[in-house]
Amino acid sequence: KAGVTQTPRYLIKTRGQQVTLSCSPISGHRSVSWYQQTPGQGLQFLFEYFSETQRNKGNFPGRFSGRQFSNSRSEMNVSTLELGDSALYLCASSSTGWGTEAFFGQGTRLTVV
Amino acid sequence: ELKVEQNPLFLSMQEGKNYTIYCNYSTTSDRLYWYRQDPGKSLESLFVLLSNGAVKQEGRLMASLDTKARLSTLHITAAVHDLSATYFCAGGLTPNTGNQFYFGTGTSLTVIP
Repeated sequence: KAGVTQTPRYLIKTRGQQVTLSCSPISGHRSVSWYQQTPGQGLQFLFEYFSETQRNKGNFPGRFSGRQFSNSRSEMNVSTLELGDSALYLCASSSTGWGTEAFFGQGTRLTVV
Repeated sequence: ELKVEQNPLFLSMQEGKNYTIYCNYSTTSDRLYWYRQDPGKSLESLFVLLSNGAVKQEGRLMASLDTKARLSTLHITAAVHDLSATYFCAGGLTPNTGNQFYFGTGTSLTVIP
């Protein structure tokens, strides 16, 4: 069974640019959540999509946005990058949402210079 | 918002010894998850605890949940070097039905031969 796939694995961008990250969940999973992991702030929830609708949103500025497609693949976009956006971005997929196991992808390591 | 506190933050233990990691959370949570993360890697799901008194065991690890005390524990029995990693607990808000997790700061475990 294929796991959660995130692309790209590594990314270097310049301040002010924008970036799009992709997450393909496990087949049959409809919930995709995104998290930002940094040494200072730890793991923080960005947003969750379920059946193409944003179901939950964390406390991040509007520069962070996402969407989900009909095949459950999700993308996350960050506009006007800042140095502080450098982080490991993880997505998690689960089947129906509440109470089910959430499986994480390998992450995308974003470095903003 | 759910605040999740783990202790200790760092744990160095000898092989063969037992120890417990504690996870306290601030308000009602209807589910508690434990994850393991190796350096530079993603999060691996260990346990999903959904009810008061739930206890789950896998190998040398055992997790429990006391919703009344707002406490989950991860007990390590007869530690071996392979268990060296960072362990996170995460809770979901009640009655939130999505997969918005609030993570603890993590416990970095080093098992010394």
